[in-house]
Amino acid sequence: DTGVSQDPRHKITKRGQNVTFRCDPISEHNRLYWYRQTLGQGPEFLTYFQNEAQLEKSRLLSDRFSAERPKGSFSTLEIQRTEQGDSAMYLCASSSTSGNTLETQYFGPGTRLLVL
Amino acid sequence: GESVGLHLPTLSVQEGDNSIINCAYSNSASDYFIWYKQESGKGPQFIIDIRSNMDKRQGQRVTVLLNKTVKHLSLQIAATQPGDSAVYFCAENTAGGKLIFGQGTELSVKP
Repeated sequence: DTGVSQDPRHKITKRGQNVTFRCDPISEHNRLYWYRQTLGQGPEFLTYFQNEAQLEKSRLLSDRFSAERPKGSFSTLEIQRTEQGDSAMYLCASSSTSGNTLETQYFGPGTRLLVL
Repeated sequence: GESVGLHLPTLSVQEGDNSIINCAYSNSASDYFIWYKQESGKGPQFIIDIRSNMDKRQGQRVTVLLNKTVKHLSLQIAATQPGDSAVYFCAENTAGGKLIFGQGTELSVKP
């Protein structure tokens, strides 16, 4: 396992279409995070999972966004009825937990979404 | 609210010189910080981290300094190389696990 992988790397879609992104974390990591990054800005937190449980969602995650991690391994992020404002880089990161100690999050290459 | 910010948006250095990138944070309860490097079109790459029980941590050509009194941390890159050109982010790892990123500093290395 060489790291976090994301698919697709690029996605161009028309406004109103639905899109789904996939993230495969580092295999022994039980935490998986989704972030969104727009040009010139740092990544912004969207949501995260510990195993299959979704523990926190940002206010950025409107009802058009849904994320799942059904088996506690890979995760999907779906955006319904895409809008031009959804155009961004969607980043996935994973980490392991050790008691109450926070561990480093490692990022994937991202999926760049362009909504026309 | 919580925020993590950077003092300078761009930094230009000569190849071989040392680089210093600064970051301020506002949450005095923050206890874990990470520096990431992001090249164009790629995801953030972990460089080095530091916990609040330390003032300094060194890696290969990089050093992170943490000053809890003034809520400031810095990333020092020794003998900067062209391959170091990228955007550098400091991030606060919150108690809930999510990262809060600053805006980033773009480092440009002149040959």
